[in-house]
Amino acid sequence: GAGVSQSPSNKVTEKGKDVELRCDPISGHTALYWYRQSLGQGLEFLIYFQGNSAPDKSGLPSDRFSAERTGGSVSTLTIQRTQQEDSAVYLCASSITTNEQFFGPGTRLTVL
Amino acid sequence: QKEVEQNSGPLSVPEGAIASLNCTYSDRGSQSFFWYRQYSGKSPELIMFIYSNGDKEDGRFTAQLNKASQYVSLLIRDSQPSDSATYLCAPRLFGNEKLTFGTGTRLTIIP
Repeated sequence: GAGVSQSPSNKVTEKGKDVELRCDPISGHTALYWYRQSLGQGLEFLIYFQGNSAPDKSGLPSDRFSAERTGGSVSTLTIQRTQQEDSAVYLCASSITTNEQFFGPGTRLTVL
Repeated sequence: QKEVEQNSGPLSVPEGAIASLNCTYSDRGSQSFFWYRQYSGKSPELIMFIYSNGDKEDGRFTAQLNKASQYVSLLIRDSQPSDSATYLCAPRLFGNEKLTFGTGTRLTIIP
C-alpha cells in the first residue's frame, strides 16, 4: 500500500515569504507527527496530532510555525515570514500504534 | 547535557564483524527506546524497539537496554555493506507520543 507522502519534495523560497508543506499519512493512521532535520542535526520534534487535535505542540520553535490537520488525514505545516534558519528537511510521520512511526520522504526547504 | 547522546562517528567496521552502536539518555522517565536507520538522503526507518531491561534480538540485530545506567545499544552481527547508514536512537517518555532523537552514529561497513 501507499506510504506517507509529502509535497513538495523541494521548496526554495525567499526570506520573509510564507510556505506551506503538506503531508498525506498512511490511510487509517490516526497519529501524525512533524519533525525537522537540519544539516548535521538529529530529528527535532515539532508537533503531534491525534485525529484532528494537536495534544503536543511543544516543539514548534516560534509563533511563525503552525500546523493543522483536517478530516483526520492530510496535514499542513505553515511557516510564516520564513528565515534562513528555517532551512531544513521537514519530515512527516504517521502511526496507528505507539510502536512504529512511518516516515515520509520529507520536504527540503531552502530559504534564501 | 544533551537529552540523547550518540557518538557521531564515523564508525568503520569490517564486513562480517559485529557493529556496536551506543546511546545514552538523560531523562529517567524514558520508557521505550527506538532504533531507526537512515540512509543518506532518505527518511528514517524503524529497526527495533525495546521496553525492558536486557536484550532483544531480531535477526542480525540485538538491542540492549540498561535503565539503571541510562544506556541503550544496538548490535549488528555479520555486518553487511548494506548496513552502512546513520543509526538514530530515540527514547520516548511514558505517556508521551513524541520521540526525542539523538544526532545519530554514521556506520560504514568496509568490504
